[in-house]
Amino acid sequence: DTGVSQDPRHKITKRGQNVTFRCDPISEHNRLYWYRQTLGQGPEFLTYFQNEAQLEKSRLLSDRFSAERPKGSFSTLEIQRTEQGDSAMYLCASSLEGSTGGAFFGQGTRLTVV
Amino acid sequence: GENVEQHPSTLSVQEGDSAVIKCTYSDSASNYFPWYKQELGKRPQLIIDIRSNVGEKKDQRIAVTLNKTAKHFSLHITETQPEDSAVYFCAAIPRGYSSASKIIFGSGTRLSIRP
Repeated sequence: DTGVSQDPRHKITKRGQNVTFRCDPISEHNRLYWYRQTLGQGPEFLTYFQNEAQLEKSRLLSDRFSAERPKGSFSTLEIQRTEQGDSAMYLCASSLEGSTGGAFFGQGTRLTVV
Repeated sequence: GENVEQHPSTLSVQEGDSAVIKCTYSDSASNYFPWYKQELGKRPQLIIDIRSNVGEKKDQRIAVTLNKTAKHFSLHITETQPEDSAVYFCAAIPRGYSSASKIIFGSGTRLSIRP
């Protein structure tokens, strides 16, 4: 599969626990985005990498959220001390700087905080 | 701030008729406008995009138009079919595609095709 892959697909966690999600972008793509989507809403921007550099982080994102892309390939998104309001679909997308194509999404990780 | 507004939020059309979804953007430096289709329980999929150096682009039954002066862009689906039923999102990249920048999405339009 040469598309964007995310792991896990589903995660159920208890409030207060930490969770970590992984995203593997399309191999030649140097841009990687994390979005959050709740039912009936459009994807909400969380953060964005170009290669290994995190270029922007949403001002709406609390300090409990952190993302890394250490080698400019896969990325991880960690949520510490999860809250029920964190329940959502977390989507990763990737794109290639300078290409004529757009960003392509992974299947997402559905997080449920109980 | 950077913003993309989309309307209508829901749209129901008779099979075979046309559907039009409209978006406006706030950052005049935006120069790339993708459209995504999201079926229930699936990932958003890029269906068509347009850059600011063209005013219209067509791919079979779908077309996009762009009015940079008014900061409007639209998605047109002709001869609608049941499989067109989905949520459609417009998007824009503020500060332009050649710059490192996030993608801002509209709030979505739920399109239903009546048989």
